[in-house]
Amino acid sequence: DQQVKQNSPSLSVQEGRISILNCDYTNSMFDYFLWYKKYPAEGPTFLISISSIKDKNEDGRFTVFLNKSAKHLSLHIVPSQPGDSAVYFCAASAGSNYQLIWGAGTKLIIKP
Amino acid sequence: NAGVMQNPRHLVRRRGQEARLRCSPMKGHSHVYWYRQLPEEGLKFMVYLQKENIIDESGMPKERFSAEFPKEGPSILRIQQVVRGDSAAYFCASSPFVERYQETQYFGPGTRLLVL
Repeated sequence: DQQVKQNSPSLSVQEGRISILNCDYTNSMFDYFLWYKKYPAEGPTFLISISSIKDKNEDGRFTVFLNKSAKHLSLHIVPSQPGDSAVYFCAASAGSNYQLIWGAGTKLIIKP
Repeated sequence: NAGVMQNPRHLVRRRGQEARLRCSPMKGHSHVYWYRQLPEEGLKFMVYLQKENIIDESGMPKERFSAEFPKEGPSILRIQQVVRGDSAAYFCASSPFVERYQETQYFGPGTRLLVL
């Protein structure tokens, strides 16, 4: 039972344009969400997070939007840069539960 | 400030051998988490440890797998009598403490285990 789903295995975006990565979840107890970026042969790197008391969090070029009623969140990267090419994982946790539940990832390719 | 360190980065074992994976958390972090990633999948939680204590090992297979985080030294994930299905990337993460809204977990580079 996949509680966190990233339905797009890959996404290709032109450099300078907006990249939008999507994530859906099924567990209504999730109240903290994170996005990680991962390069090949490296560990995941934390990008940005959002708690369920908010619907938007912004950090530089990265913005995460949370739609609790739809159980959906998205990561926007503007403008997209070549170094953004990586696999992006959405992860979630519930309450004081430290376990992160991960999606399968979306491979983002930024075209020059 | 060094990040989370894991070694070895790559480990090759034959079926039936033991694998030991090491993780040194970031300085000042006292919480360690181990995750496993199979190809084309997300990370799966295995175990959560504090110094000298296993807090939650609900994601660990019941047999052959064990973890420790001694008072001194790195955290160790030990896999006895490895089988081919154990081949995966094993990631360690650390955090300073856990609150109502979880502290961000910072990840090491991972150990890629290949069982022949």
